[in-house]
Amino acid sequence: IAGITQAPTSQILAAGRRMTLRCTQDMRHNAMYWYRQDLGLGLRLIHYSNTAGTTGKGEVPDGYSVSRANTDDFPLTLASAVPSQTSVYFCASSDTGGWTYNEQFFGPGTRLTVL
Amino acid sequence: DAKTTQPNSMESNEEEPVHLPCNHSTISGTDYIHWYRQLPSQGPEYVIHGLTSNVNNRMASLAIAEDRKSSTLILHRATLRDAAVYYCILRDPSGNTPLVFGKGTRLSVIA
Repeated sequence: IAGITQAPTSQILAAGRRMTLRCTQDMRHNAMYWYRQDLGLGLRLIHYSNTAGTTGKGEVPDGYSVSRANTDDFPLTLASAVPSQTSVYFCASSDTGGWTYNEQFFGPGTRLTVL
Repeated sequence: DAKTTQPNSMESNEEEPVHLPCNHSTISGTDYIHWYRQLPSQGPEYVIHGLTSNVNNRMASLAIAEDRKSSTLILHRATLRDAAVYYCILRDPSGNTPLVFGKGTRLSVIA
């Protein structure tokens, strides 16, 4: 079982370009999340999805969009990248149904540099 | 979500116990206390969680104060692999809300 995969591992991007960060999970979790982590700081929630077909805004959603067409995939798009979006991006998922604990599982991260 | 307060950093010698404190004086009666940790260059991973009673698992123990205004994550024998940032997070009982991370405590382990 792979868990959560993210692509690309790292990317250098020119300001103004469009970029989509990919996230796929194979655990059939209903909920998925995108966080960003800047140097020396904790993770901040960008967007989340409690189930396929629904999305919600987190703490820092501006400049980002997400879609959740199916259970497994949750891509994050930067329509026009700016240098302040230079960060490490983590995707996560959890099973929020039933009696399970709802532990969040995290992917390995994507390091994005916007020049 | 109620706020948690943790020291910015702590240091421990290898193979000694480590007590990582967390204050959460505004915790609600139903919030669970969760701990995650983030190893260098990795995403966070779950460590342990509890409500009122002390909890043990293979990774750590969680000691919760009787008034629930503070808790302590205990690593019984720190190893170099335990060097990480440890996050104390409060979460409502539904578990349906995303985790909200603070800055955590950076634990350094000295050989």
